[in-house]
Amino acid sequence: QVQLVQSGAEVKKPGASVKVSCKASGYTFSGNSMHWVRRAPGQGLEWMGWIDPNSGGTNSAQKFQGRVTMTRDTSISTAYMELTRLRSDDTAVYYCARDGSGSWFGYWGQGTLVTVSS
Amino acid sequence: SYVLTQPPSVSVAPGQTARITCGGNNIGSRSVHWYQQKPGQAPVLVVYDDSDRPSGIPERFSGSNSGNTATLTISRVEAGDEADYYCQVWDSSSELWVFGGGTKLTVL
Repeated sequence: QVQLVQSGAEVKKPGASVKVSCKASGYTFSGNSMHWVRRAPGQGLEWMGWIDPNSGGTNSAQKFQGRVTMTRDTSISTAYMELTRLRSDDTAVYYCARDGSGSWFGYWGQGTLVTVSS
Repeated sequence: SYVLTQPPSVSVAPGQTARITCGGNNIGSRSVHWYQQKPGQAPVLVVYDDSDRPSGIPERFSGSNSGNTATLTISRVEAGDEADYYCQVWDSSSELWVFGGGTKLTVL
């Protein structure tokens, strides 16, 4: 069965960077795009960007361009999302999500809480 | 960029029908997907491509999409349906994915 297992919670200071991992299993990693979505406290779901594990190509929401980097290591079926120059309003639960045969997200990781605090 | 508009909250009594709307410019021409998220849990896909249900999702969950409004309908609402619900589309013009602001469903 498809599983996405994310790395553990992080606490960072403003201005620092965080890198979240998402290890996939139960399917061919390069066969589906991987997306990153976050939910800040009191806010809704926010799509951040995606990576094509096959080519390494990425695209991200304009809000995060210049601060977010999405990469992958196909040898270990793992996707990564790095967010730099962290601010307090980046405090959120970050999810990886795999797309389906269409434009929906059929599988989600368990989420990684990133807390940004001085 | 494409904007999806949802009501912040919907309340319904158990056994009744809940309807959650998602508004967008000519949304009827797009495929709309719906997610349920309960506190402390990851989102779960409940409807995809306007009206299809993933395996394991009860038939009580259904969807429709026409004109400028897509609708998620939950029939015979149960206490366990209380959650946040989000609509989502892919904006082909920008090649970006978009979520609605979310609707909190309260079961009275």
